Amino acid sequence: AQSVTQLDSQVPVFEEAPVELRCNYSSSVSVYLFWYVQYPNQGLQLLLKYLSGSTLVKGINGFEAEFNKSQTSFHLRKPSVHISDTAEYFCAVSRGYQKVTFGTGTKLQVIP
Amino acid sequence: DVKVTQSSRYLVKRTGEKVFLECVQDMDHENMFWYRQDPGLGLRLIYFSYDVKMKEKGDIPEGYSVSREKKERFSLILESASTNQTSMYLCASSPPDRTYEQYFGPGTRLTVT
Repeated sequence: AQSVTQLDSQVPVFEEAPVELRCNYSSSVSVYLFWYVQYPNQGLQLLLKYLSGSTLVKGINGFEAEFNKSQTSFHLRKPSVHISDTAEYFCAVSRGYQKVTFGTGTKLQVIP
Repeated sequence: DVKVTQSSRYLVKRTGEKVFLECVQDMDHENMFWYRQDPGLGLRLIYFSYDVKMKEKGDIPEGYSVSREKKERFSLILESASTNQTSMYLCASSPPDRTYEQYFGPGTRLTVT
């Protein structure tokens, strides 16, 4: 079975500071990894995905994530956050075309 | 632009009532999903469907059923609502070869009293 662990339930950060949201996955086979974002009162939307190839993946709104197979991690980073980045971020994993398993979410609170 | 709509944003029902949550997508996607979202638990898959009249149980199907009579519409049914089904319900759809690329509706916040 596959699973993801998001170590931080909430991350407060000042505006224009860098941020890292942590995600570790567990799977005995190769996986696809994703980050989704949920803005207040909205559904989730896909932020970025790792399927294969380069381990550094760039997504929308200046976010990027790095796939680290040896550490089974897929941390999300942004060098400078804006107020508009305040949202809940979900790490997710799937194997091929099978169902996606979501983490418990990390709430990013950007402080002015 | 893919659009997934859900019939209600907020719903209040009484214990024992039969509840229908409707979801419609406009991108001709084969796959559709129902999740519930609870604080600290993330998203948990209730049911999914990969074609009309086809359905598969997810991780927490107990107390729920689904119906997919048309490709664009996927309904979640609570046969006899209970207070522990108070939650945010999210519907999503995806293309058949990109199950991970899910498009979500805005959610229905259901309160069962």
